[in-house]
Amino acid sequence: GESVGLHLPTLSVQEGDNSIINCAYSNSASDYFIWYKQESGKGPQFIIDIRSNMDKRQGQRVTVLLNKTVKHLSLQIAATQPGDSAVYFCAERRTGGGADGLTFGKGTHLIIQP
Amino acid sequence: NAGVMQNPRHLVRRRGQEARLRCSPMKGHSHVYWYRQLPEEGLKFMVYLQKENIIDESGMPKERFSAEFPKEGPSILRIQQVVRGDSAAYFCASSPIPGLRNTGELFFGEGSRLTVL
Repeated sequence: GESVGLHLPTLSVQEGDNSIINCAYSNSASDYFIWYKQESGKGPQFIIDIRSNMDKRQGQRVTVLLNKTVKHLSLQIAATQPGDSAVYFCAERRTGGGADGLTFGKGTHLIIQP
Repeated sequence: NAGVMQNPRHLVRRRGQEARLRCSPMKGHSHVYWYRQLPEEGLKFMVYLQKENIIDESGMPKERFSAEFPKEGPSILRIQQVVRGDSAAYFCASSPIPGLRNTGELFFGEGSRLTVL
């Protein structure tokens, strides 16, 4: 499955399929980007990050892609599992900022269908 | 090693009352951040504290909200004279270092959900 547009509130995919969650960021000066996963009733959990001098980074079953030209960030989840159901947030950090410099997107709710 | 501990997990207050939310950072972490999350929204930064110091409170409302991180004990986010618009989830996060210089070293608690009647 692939989100049709940016800021799509809900993305529904079949278990085992790949998911792509998109995010547009606002500040061309942001130097660091993070994806978080938030399960219902819990706090955000770090998934993967990428610095602005990179365009791709891979983790276990997840890949983050950064396109600085169009200020676009995406999270790819391979072979989705029921445990991947959650809200996914991207966050950008302004250059030189700390966690107080993080700006979070509104999130995409990923639903995994059996 | 316990994670970031927040309490209470749920708090109900009537308009005009006070709400106190507590956060104990992870062991060894001296940097604490508070965020607010409205329903269907992302997290909004409120305040960044180190022990006995407020480093950045640019996200805090000017009135009714205050935060502290004393030498001993948890960090406290205090909301006086609560209004319905204060209803939200309040998340605390801690870090061992400032600035997120290392990968992903920001750990969140499970949040305190405030409901104002």
